[in-house]
Amino acid sequence: GESVGLHLPTLSVQEGDNSIINCAYSNSASDYFIWYKQESGKGPQFIIDIRSNMDKRQGQRVTVLLNKTVKHLSLQIAATQPGDSAVYFCAEQDGDGSGGSNYKLTFGKGTLLTVNP
Amino acid sequence: NAGVTQTPKFQVLKTGQSMTLQCAQDMNHNSMYWYRQDPGMGLRLIYYSASEGTTDKGEVPNGYNVSRLNKREFSLRLESAAPSQTSVYFCASSFPLRSQETQYFGPGTRLLVL
Repeated sequence: GESVGLHLPTLSVQEGDNSIINCAYSNSASDYFIWYKQESGKGPQFIIDIRSNMDKRQGQRVTVLLNKTVKHLSLQIAATQPGDSAVYFCAEQDGDGSGGSNYKLTFGKGTLLTVNP
Repeated sequence: NAGVTQTPKFQVLKTGQSMTLQCAQDMNHNSMYWYRQDPGMGLRLIYYSASEGTTDKGEVPNGYNVSRLNKREFSLRLESAAPSQTSVYFCASSFPLRSQETQYFGPGTRLLVL
């Protein structure tokens, strides 16, 4: 089946800068996307999601952008803080359940974000 | 609410031993999942249960069995552990298994098979 991929495996930023984490997907049937944050030794934590009928969604200090034309997803973190250091995963869901996916999530391999004080 | 809880947190097994990983959720979710996470591989689905009484194979089911004990609990069993099953195991749950439903994860069980 199709899978989600990431452009950059690691990203290092200075505290206070904005961070952008990118994700490419290839399943044109995907209609729901989620960003998770995983701190060392912990389980993935939901950050923000976006449905395919939207191209932008904002949360607290985070923004997700979806470009369906090029099948690209990004997570922007404003004023990055040391507590943002973690691995960030994008995940996609096949909306019509085709290919037997039954709405299961497909995860990317993750990007490690390091915030330097 | 505790969300999704998993036991044990850590386990060391010898090849051939068996064990059961426990998972429980208190969010009244219908669907539950077991994933494994290996370095460089991301999260891979082992088994899932769309609703109480049903279970289905995911991407990597070989060597595992599951039981959906009730709506709250979903266990994963390794009948004869192998070193290739050394991994971090995560349980997750979501409100029905349907389009555009977020999954919530437990803290994980770290398993080492010698």
